[in-house]
Parts: sequence; structure tokens; C-alpha cells
Amino acid sequence: DGGITQSPKYLFRKEGQNVTLSCEQNLNHDAMYWYRQDPGQGLRLIYYSQIVNDFQKGDIAEGYSVSREKKESFPLTVTSAQKNPTAFYLCASSSLGETQYFGPGTRLLVL
Amino acid sequence: GNSVTQMEGPVTLSEEAFLTINCTYTATGYPSLFWYVQYPGEGLQLLLKATKADDKGSNKGFEATYRKETTSFHLEKGSVQVSDSAVYFCALLSNFGNEKLTFGTGTRLTIIP
Repeated sequence: DGGITQSPKYLFRKEGQNVTLSCEQNLNHDAMYWYRQDPGQGLRLIYYSQIVNDFQKGDIAEGYSVSREKKESFPLTVTSAQKNPTAFYLCASSSLGETQYFGPGTRLLVL
Repeated sequence: GNSVTQMEGPVTLSEEAFLTINCTYTATGYPSLFWYVQYPGEGLQLLLKATKADDKGSNKGFEATYRKETTSFHLEKGSVQVSDSAVYFCALLSNFGNEKLTFGTGTRLTIIP
């Protein structure tokens, strides 16, 4: 069954803690993306990667980091430098220049 | 830069009513245009798309036509159902090799029986 999986569904972060959100796809897509969604707003791009071992900053990369060691995986780390991390995080993937497909999302909450 | 402007919500309609959600865009070149739908607590699902002027995307009774002369991609459905209640996002993808999707702010639709 092809698709995009994100885990966990809910994640709680303590003050000063780094947390990592998982995103895996088995669609053989070259490109992967991370978006942040805040209530009442559209999606904003955090990072994207078009090829293994390479990635680019999006519009709101500060306080986040990523890696792309495998084609199937694109984990996002929310660092302690991100002062307002509470949001819904969405991962997407696509063939280059084609339609992006989204995972089910991870909701990050701050304790 | 690219931008997408969507009809402000929330929109509330009775079941079987006609739906229009307006979407206009600003972009250089010939972007691809998309409508995504988001149900509560879930990710975005592709609803329909159009890749060139005058193309009509359609799915599940929803339609949208890519109008380059008016830079619009309005979403329509002839008879809405309670199950159509969701948030709808209009988006564009530049054809200049930049892989970034530009989203509108979303329109929350509620259908009452």
C-alpha cells in the first residue's frame, strides 16, 4: 500500500528540548517537503529536498533542521531555538515538478 | 512573487446547495493549479488539479477551470453534501523549476442538513 506515513500523531515538547518528527514515503518520489500549519492560516514551507543528501530552506526554516540520508525518509527536528513550535506539521512528497501528496500530519504541543 | 487569494470563510450552506469558492492567483509563467481538501485532524488530500489554461479539473462532483485571462481557479459543486464539510485550499506550483507550492489561507466549509 503506497503512501506517506508520519509519526507520531501527537508529540509533546518540554522547554529547551529538541524533538524529531518522522516522515517516510514508499512512492519512489525524489522530492520531499515539510510544511507548518497554524490555525486559520495556509501552509508555510519549512524545508524541502529534491535529492538525497541535499535540501533547501523554505520560508520559515529558522529553529528547524532536516536530513535526507535515504530517498524514503525526511525527518524534521524542531530545535529549542524554535520559540513557538506549537503547530500541525505536514510532510509531502512528489516527483520533480509534479503534484505533491501529503501525509496525515503530526500535531506538536508544548508542555 | 507568487500568491494565492482565496475567498474568506467560513462558508455555511444547506445540503444540496450550489457551492462556489473563489480563488485567484498571481504568478509568472504558467503555473499548475490545485485544490486540496483537509478534513478535521487530517492531512491534505488532492481534490483536483489543472496544468494549463482552459483545463478543467474534476473529482467527486467538484470542478474548477483554469482561467488565465482572469487568473482564477474557482471551485464549484452543484449539490453539496454534509460529508463535504472540510477546509479547502487553493494552491499553485510554479513551472520555473521552483518546487514550492504556494497556498491560499483556506476556506472552511460547513454543510448543514
